[in-house]
Amino acid sequence: NAGVTQTPKFQVLKTGQSMTLQCAQDMNHNSMYWYRQDPGMGLRLIYYSASEGTTDKGEVPNGYNVSRLNKREFSLRLESAAPSQTSVYFCASSEDPNYEQYFGPGTRLTVT
Amino acid sequence: QKEVEQDPGPLSVPEGAIVSLNCTYSNSAFQYFMWYRQYSRKGPELLMYTYSSGNKEDGRFTAQVDKSSKYISLFIRDSQPSDSATYLCAMSAGGNNRLAFGKGNQVVVIP
Repeated sequence: NAGVTQTPKFQVLKTGQSMTLQCAQDMNHNSMYWYRQDPGMGLRLIYYSASEGTTDKGEVPNGYNVSRLNKREFSLRLESAAPSQTSVYFCASSEDPNYEQYFGPGTRLTVT
Repeated sequence: QKEVEQDPGPLSVPEGAIVSLNCTYSNSAFQYFMWYRQYSRKGPELLMYTYSSGNKEDGRFTAQVDKSSKYISLFIRDSQPSDSATYLCAMSAGGNNRLAFGKGNQVVVIP
């Protein structure tokens, strides 16, 4: 099993450009999450999907949109990137919102 | 007051020592507790998962939860250089509530 996979691994964008971060899990998990991790700030939840067909805002949703494409895939879109969105983005999944989450390897995004 | 407090470190210990990490929290509804290990430039990986109070042991790792004091701990026995990483605590109240993470504690095990 690959677990949670994320693409791309690295990305550099110019301010105003858009992009989509892809995430897929092969553990048949119901719940999926997007986090960003910044120095001194820890992990902050952007959006999550408790089950297929539902999405909800997390702690820092502004500037992002998500799509739960199917049970396996959960994408994060930046419509108009800003330097403040420079961060490492992690996708995670869990069998149930109450259970432990499993993380992907991350995407390092730089916005110039 | 932050929901979860964790000393960022760094904590440096000699190889073979016991590493002691802890988190305090303010939400008495938390009942699911986790510890993650994160190597540099990698994603967090789950180390320990416990429900409610008590101890859980897995090899060299022991997790403790004291709900009366709102305090959780992770102990690493016989520490190895490969244990050098950032350790994050996480907890949840359950019922579709989100995980609350500590900011992480960097550990360096010196050979």
